[in-house]
Parts: sequence; C-alpha cells; structure tokens
Amino acid sequence: GQQLNQSPQSMFIQEGEDVSMNCTSSSIFNTWLWYKQDPGEGPVLLIALYKAGELTSNGRLTAQFGITRKDSFLNISASIPSDVGIYFCAVNAGNNRKLIWGLGTSLAVNP
Amino acid sequence: GAGVSQSPRYKVAKRGQDVALRCDPISGHVSLFWYQQALGQGPEFLTYFQNEAQLDKSGLPSDRFFAERPEGSVSTLKIQRTQQEDSAVYLCASSFGSGTGVGSNQPQHFGDGTRLSIL
Repeated sequence: GQQLNQSPQSMFIQEGEDVSMNCTSSSIFNTWLWYKQDPGEGPVLLIALYKAGELTSNGRLTAQFGITRKDSFLNISASIPSDVGIYFCAVNAGNNRKLIWGLGTSLAVNP
Repeated sequence: GAGVSQSPRYKVAKRGQDVALRCDPISGHVSLFWYQQALGQGPEFLTYFQNEAQLDKSGLPSDRFFAERPEGSVSTLKIQRTQQEDSAVYLCASSFGSGTGVGSNQPQHFGDGTRLSIL
C-alpha cells in the first residue's frame, strides 16, 4: 500500500543532544501528524500540522509541514531518557480520515 | 478510565480458530478505526465506522476479517479461521469528529492494542 518514507530508521544519541527526523511522500497531503509509540502501548499524538509551511512546537518538540505538502520534519531538543520510543509520521488520507503511516524512527537515548 | 480500552491485551490462538477482539472507544466519539500493526511496521488501516455505520472496510485483508459496531459505541473485530500471518497488534482508535465535517480535524486516540499470536 501507499507508504510514507521516514528517516532515519533508528537513532542512538546521548542525553542532551538534539534529534531530527523527517518524512516524505510522493503525494500531497493536507494534514501531517507525528505520533510516539512506547513498547506495548498505542501511539500517542505529539503534534498535528494542518497548514503548509506551518511550524508548530510542543515543549521540546518542533514540527514543520513542508511547503510542498509532501514532507514534514520533527525535531526534539535536549533529549532526555523518556524520549526513547518509536516516532511515526502519519497523514490523513481520504474523507474518512484514515491514517497512512511511515515505518517509524526508533530513538534510543544514552543517559 | 477515560481512554480507548481494548481487550484482551494478549490473545494466543491456534491456526484455524476464530478470535474476537473488543474495543471500547472514548464515550461520545463518533468515529472508530481499526488498524493492524505488524512487528517493526507502522499501523495499517483496516476499517472505519461512523457511529454504527461501517463506511470503509477497504483495508480488511480478506473475507475472514469482519468488524461490527452495532450500537455505535463498542466495536468487535472478528477474525475467522486464523492464519499465522494474522499475528500482529490490532489497534483501535476513536475520535470525536467524522469525515470532513465539523470536528474533522479532531485527533484519533488509540488504545494499547491487542497482541494476537497465531500458533
């Protein structure tokens, strides 16, 4: 099925470092979402982007909706151990708002 | 609790058995979604309900998969004659809004999933 290209696949960083991950698509989407999933739990919405070019922050997280509407990035500043998990980008597809997901970026933080 | 609740959390079944997975959405949420998440992958859409109406079942992988939401609240995903490739985490999500109307940008809230293992 249709997929988003998410990179990097995994990251291993030191506590306090900044992190950047991105997501691209060959198609235009009008809503981009970033979720975090911890082991054994469901995805939790971090940031939702609804407007091309929009830059949105949520605490140490910042996400941007690319101007072409075909990409988005997520930055995490000053990482902490609880940032460990898998980060997914997702887009709304179709009128019923079903989500199409990337394959995820696995983040490990060394204390 | 106030979140989406799924049961059971874990289910082990022998190949060929039927299974039923339950989702209790957040009270008052109109939209309900089922997703399948294979190990190491992102979730894949299965089906969507608006109240009791199943408006999209395009993601159901075969006719062995069946979902219902008879009273517009609790939903059940049933898998008949299970196969090993059905092993995955099944996630349920609900949201207040529906389609492209009012509240259409309301986020989807996910349960913790049912981890299904077929032996």
